Amino acid sequence: DAGVTQSPTHLIKTRGQHVTLRCSPISGHKSVSWYQQVLGQGPQFIFQYYEKEERGRGNFPDRFSARQFPNYSSELNVNALLLGDSALYLCASSFRGWTEAFFGQGTRLTVV
Amino acid sequence: QKEVEQDPGPLSVPEGAIVSLNCTYSNSAFQYFMWYRQYSRKGPELLMYTYSSGNKEDGRFTAQVDKSSKYISLFIRDSQPSDSATYLCAMKGQGAQKLVFGQGTRLTINP
Repeated sequence: DAGVTQSPTHLIKTRGQHVTLRCSPISGHKSVSWYQQVLGQGPQFIFQYYEKEERGRGNFPDRFSARQFPNYSSELNVNALLLGDSALYLCASSFRGWTEAFFGQGTRLTVV
Repeated sequence: QKEVEQDPGPLSVPEGAIVSLNCTYSNSAFQYFMWYRQYSRKGPELLMYTYSSGNKEDGRFTAQVDKSSKYISLFIRDSQPSDSATYLCAMKGQGAQKLVFGQGTRLTINP
């Protein structure tokens, strides 16, 4: 079985640009969460979606948005990129929102 | 004060040693406790998942939760060089959406 897949794996963007990151959950999983991991730190919660509805939002500015599609895949969008948005963006999938979370490989975003 | 505290290390031990990794937390609402292993530039891999207090064993790994002390541990027996990675503790409350992570402990097993 395929695990959580994220695309792209690496991305370089310029300040002020917009970025879209994509995630496909494990087959049968209905919940997707997004986390930001800055180098040397643990992941920080951004969003959780379950059954295509937002179920939780972390302490991130409105420049961050997400959505979940009918096939349970998800997109994370970040507008007006700042240098501080450079990080590893992780997607986690779980069968339901409260069960074990399995992470993808992440998308490494560099803002220059 | 952070909700979850974890010593970032680095921790270096010889091959075959028993490794003890720990986290403390302040939120008494946490009910689910996890340990993830993260290799450099990779996503976290779930190692152990426990609910409430007690011990759980899986091969060379043992997770312990002491809710009265707000303290969790991961023990690795017969450590191998392939265990060299960053170990992240994570926890969440009943019905909560988000995992709260520690900073991660960087572990090196020397052959």
